[in-house]
Amino acid sequence: NAGVTQTPKFRILKIGQSMTLQCAQDMNHNYMYWYRQDPGMGLKLIYYSVGAGITDKGEVPNGYNVSRSTTEDFPLRLELAAPSQTSVYFCASSYPSLWTEAFFGQGTRLTVV
Amino acid sequence: EDKVVQSPLSLVVHEGDTVTLNCSYEVTNFRSLLWYKQEKKAPTFLFMLTSSGIEKKSGRLSSILDKKELFSILNITATQTGDSAVYLCAVELGETSGSRLTFGEGTQLTVNP
Repeated sequence: NAGVTQTPKFRILKIGQSMTLQCAQDMNHNYMYWYRQDPGMGLKLIYYSVGAGITDKGEVPNGYNVSRSTTEDFPLRLELAAPSQTSVYFCASSYPSLWTEAFFGQGTRLTVV
Repeated sequence: EDKVVQSPLSLVVHEGDTVTLNCSYEVTNFRSLLWYKQEKKAPTFLFMLTSSGIEKKSGRLSSILDKKELFSILNITATQTGDSAVYLCAVELGETSGSRLTFGEGTQLTVNP
């Protein structure tokens, strides 16, 4: 089992560019989440999904979009990147509400210049 | 607005010291409180607490929850350099469609030899 796989690990974007952060899990988890972590801060929830075809906004959704067409994949789309989106992005997955069994990806470090 | 506040934000100690990390919360629909350890990359799960007054223990780490006063503490005894990390407190919030986590800012613990 690979667990939660995030790609890319690092990326530098110019202001106004777009990109998609990929997240895939092979554990058949229903729940998937995207967090961002700014330096010295905790994790803030961007979007989450409780199953294929269902997504919901978290605390900081502005500037991002998600889709969940399959159980395995939960890509995060950044349109018109801004310096404020410079952060480390973590994807996580779990069975419904079983946070003791939650798995986090290794993170994507994004810099917008 | 749901809030999770950790203190102190950073702490520097010597090997062998005992440390206490604090987490207080003001949230609606509390379900559980979780502690994670983050060393450079993805957070790893430490404890999940749902009931007041019941201590969870794992080696030199222990944690307890007070649901009346809305806080939790994480204790680490006989600290080692390998304990150096960011310790994240998260509260699980119940939602109509499931649950999500709200994180505190974390406590950066540095253990010097």
